Amino acid sequence: GEDVEQSLFLSVREGDSSVINCTYTDSSSTYLYWYKQEPGAGLQLLTYIFSNMDMKQDQRLTVLLNKKDKHLSLRIADTQTGDSAIYFCAEKDSSASKIIFGSGTRLSIRP
Amino acid sequence: DVKVTQSSRYLVKRTGEKVFLECVQDMDHENMFWYRQDPGLGLRLIYFSYDVKMKEKGDIPEGYSVSREKKERFSLILESASTNQTSMYLCASSLSTGHGGYTFGSGTRLTVV
Repeated sequence: GEDVEQSLFLSVREGDSSVINCTYTDSSSTYLYWYKQEPGAGLQLLTYIFSNMDMKQDQRLTVLLNKKDKHLSLRIADTQTGDSAIYFCAEKDSSASKIIFGSGTRLSIRP
Repeated sequence: DVKVTQSSRYLVKRTGEKVFLECVQDMDHENMFWYRQDPGLGLRLIYFSYDVKMKEKGDIPEGYSVSREKKERFSLILESASTNQTSMYLCASSLSTGHGGYTFGSGTRLTVV
C-alpha cells in the first residue's frame, strides 16, 4: 500500500533555515501536503502542492517536489522559536478522499 | 472562521463505560474522519465517512463504531472503553473537490482509568 516516510527529529539554530524531507511511494499522488502540529493541538494545513508543480513558495515556506524520485521537502527560512512543532508530510491521489500521513518530524529550535 | 469543533478537550472515563466523542464541522464538507494519535505511532485512521449515513472502516476500527446522521456531525463511539484506548483523538473533515486537504479539530485527549 501507499507509504509516506520522514525522519523523526530535526534540530536547527534560530535564524537558520530548516529543511524537512519526505518520501512517498504512491506514483499516482495528485496532491501533497505539509501540516503543522503544535503541542496539544490538532494539525493545521500549512501548504500543499499539486503534482504537476515543482516548487511552491509562500512567505518563509518553500515546498520542493521531485516527482521522479517521489521526494517532497519543506524549507522554512529564518526559523523562529514559534516554528517548534511536529511537521507531517501527506499525500493523496485523485481517486481517493483519504490522505496518507507520514509519522511526523519534530522540529526543535536551538538558541 | 470555518472550523471543526470537538466537544471535549479532555475526558476521563472508567473502563467498561460507553464513550461518545462528538465532532461538528461548519464547512459543508462531505468527508469526515476520526484518527487516534499515539507517541511513536503517528496518526492512525479509525473510521471515515464520505456522506450522511455512510461509514467505512479505517486501519484500526476494532473497539469503535461511528454515527453520521447529519452531514455536519460525525460521532465516534467506544462501546466499552478499555485502558488501551487512552489516546488523543482527532477529527477532520474535507471537501471531495479541490485539493481535498483536511481541516482538523483541536483534539480530545481521552484517558480511560
